Amino acid sequence: QKEVEQNSGPLSVPEGAIASLNCTYSDRVSQSFFWYRQYSGKSPELIMSIYSNGDKEDGRFTAQLNKASQYVSLLIRDSQPSDSATYLCAVDRGSTLGRLYFGRGTQLTVWP
Amino acid sequence: EPEVTQTPSHQVTQMGQEVILRCVPISNHLYFYWYRQILGQKVEFLVSFYNNEISEKSEIFDDQFSVERPDGSNFTLKIRSTKLEDSAMYFCASSDWGEQYFGPGTRLTVT
Repeated sequence: QKEVEQNSGPLSVPEGAIASLNCTYSDRVSQSFFWYRQYSGKSPELIMSIYSNGDKEDGRFTAQLNKASQYVSLLIRDSQPSDSATYLCAVDRGSTLGRLYFGRGTQLTVWP
Repeated sequence: EPEVTQTPSHQVTQMGQEVILRCVPISNHLYFYWYRQILGQKVEFLVSFYNNEISEKSEIFDDQFSVERPDGSNFTLKIRSTKLEDSAMYFCASSDWGEQYFGPGTRLTVT
């Protein structure tokens, strides 16, 4: 059973466009949701966390959570070439002390 | 800005040898983790550590693995007898609660 699934990509958008990244999770008890950015050969870098239903905005990034649909998304507005990376969705199922389950990631390319 | 540090950045070892990967978590964090990422695959949880003991370990974290917090700042992962399939990036992470911050990783190559 796959815990966290992401659209496989790769996703390619022009500079200035909105990039939309999606993630679904299987365990309804999941409590906390995170988006990480990972550049090739580097470690995951935390972008956003979201814990309750609705939208959460931070600069050009908006995370959206719908627990009923077991769905979390990340929107990147005004995409820049420097946003080109793999975006990882991670879920904390809440029943353990912070163990994160990661999706395989969606590779985003922003072209000038 | 505080960050997690890891040493070494790259470790090459022969099959059957022991390796110790070192991490210095963010200073006021209380929860520590090790993850690994095999090339081209997803990030996988190994173990979590809190209050000087293991909180949870995955099925990957078998008897060849151990963790230790030998002093107030370091957090180590020991692999007793390395196998070829242990070749991966190993990431340490820490949190005060909720958000986990990752170190730069150690690339372990087992030959």
